[in-house]
Parts: sequence; C-alpha cells; structure tokens
Amino acid sequence: DTGVSQNPRHKITKRGQNVTFRCDPISEHNRLYWYRQTLGQGPEFLTYFQNEAQLEKSRLLSDRFSAERPKGSFSTLEIQRTEQGDSAMYLCASSPPSRVIGYTFGSGTRLTVV
Amino acid sequence: RKEVEQDPGPFNVPEGATVAFNCTYSNSASQSFFWYRQDCRKEPKLLMSVYSSGNEDGRFTAQLNRASQYISLLIRDSKLSDSATYLCVVNIGSNYQLIWGAGTKLIIKP
Repeated sequence: DTGVSQNPRHKITKRGQNVTFRCDPISEHNRLYWYRQTLGQGPEFLTYFQNEAQLEKSRLLSDRFSAERPKGSFSTLEIQRTEQGDSAMYLCASSPPSRVIGYTFGSGTRLTVV
Repeated sequence: RKEVEQDPGPFNVPEGATVAFNCTYSNSASQSFFWYRQDCRKEPKLLMSVYSSGNEDGRFTAQLNRASQYISLLIRDSKLSDSATYLCVVNIGSNYQLIWGAGTKLIIKP
C-alpha cells in the first residue's frame, strides 16, 4: 500500500441517478478527507473523518451527499439524485495522526453528470 | 474576499528564468502554510511547507510574511517540467482542514 486509492477513476451518470465513490487511504493514516475540485479552482473541503467518526462536514455537502467510514479504514461518498452541478473531480486525502504535513491525495474520481 | 487568493496567471516564463508567485490569506489565525503542485488532470502533490524563517528545497524557496499575510514561492533556473499549477494552501488549525487558493498556472517555454 503505497498511496491513497480511489475508485472509480471516471464516472459518467445521468442526471437523477445515484453514484458512490470509494477511497482507500494509506493504512496507517487515521484521518481521511473528501474534497471537490472544479476546473480552475482549488479543492473545496467537503468532509473529514478521524477513524470512523465524521467530525466535520462542509455546508457544501447538501443532504444529497453522504459519506461513511464504517470501520475507520476505507470511506465511501454517495451522491443521490445527481445534478449537473455535481460534475467535478472528487478527491480523497489521508494524513497520519496529528500531522497536516502528511496529507496525501488519491488520484480522484472525475464525475460527469449528463 | 476569498480566504486564500492567488494570481491565476498563466505565467509564461522562458526555461532557465527565475519566477516568483505570491499568495495572500485573510485569516490571521492561520497556522500552517504549504505549496502544492498540480499537473493537468492530476491530484495535488505537496511541494513544500512554508516556515516562518523561510525555507529552501533545491531550486525552490518559500517565504512567509505574517505581518502582511502572504506567502511566496520562488523557482530558480526553471525547467520545462516545472510547468504546472501551483496551489497555495493554508491550515487554520481546525481538524487539519486545508483552505486552498485557486492556483497559479506556470508555463515554462523552451
């Protein structure tokens, strides 16, 4: 395990469908983050887990979005009733305990809603 | 006003030249500062942290000015492979959430 793994890499879905993305962090990292990035912008924070607890959730995360990290290992991000505005790159990152510097991103899942 | 602001560029620079970017941040409680590099359609990767005393890593020098609330990145002897978007990142200490600038695009020309 040499990095953060995200699946799928690309997802094209029709408006109104539900999608789920998976993130497998670096095994010794207890902190996991989801970000969203659109073209020409920096990543925007969505939510943060420490182990299995979801400790922070952005106002960007509407009630159509839900994230879980059931055993404190991998995490899933689900978007229900997708809208065209949800089209973006969804990035997962992880970091070890008490160290911001260890932030490592996965390759992201690029979502296109048509 | 955005929390972290950067000139979007692009900066078109000849190979071998020196280039510098600035980034301003609005929250005076910001604790940690970083520069990330992002290649087209790839994930961001940590380039370097920025320390109060300034720090250097090879051709790259980062500086922090807390009084004026900006950080800078200097790239010397630029290479074609330095072409990328450089993202300024700030941590305000809340659960290690990072606040990101929109990035400065750098294009190194032969």
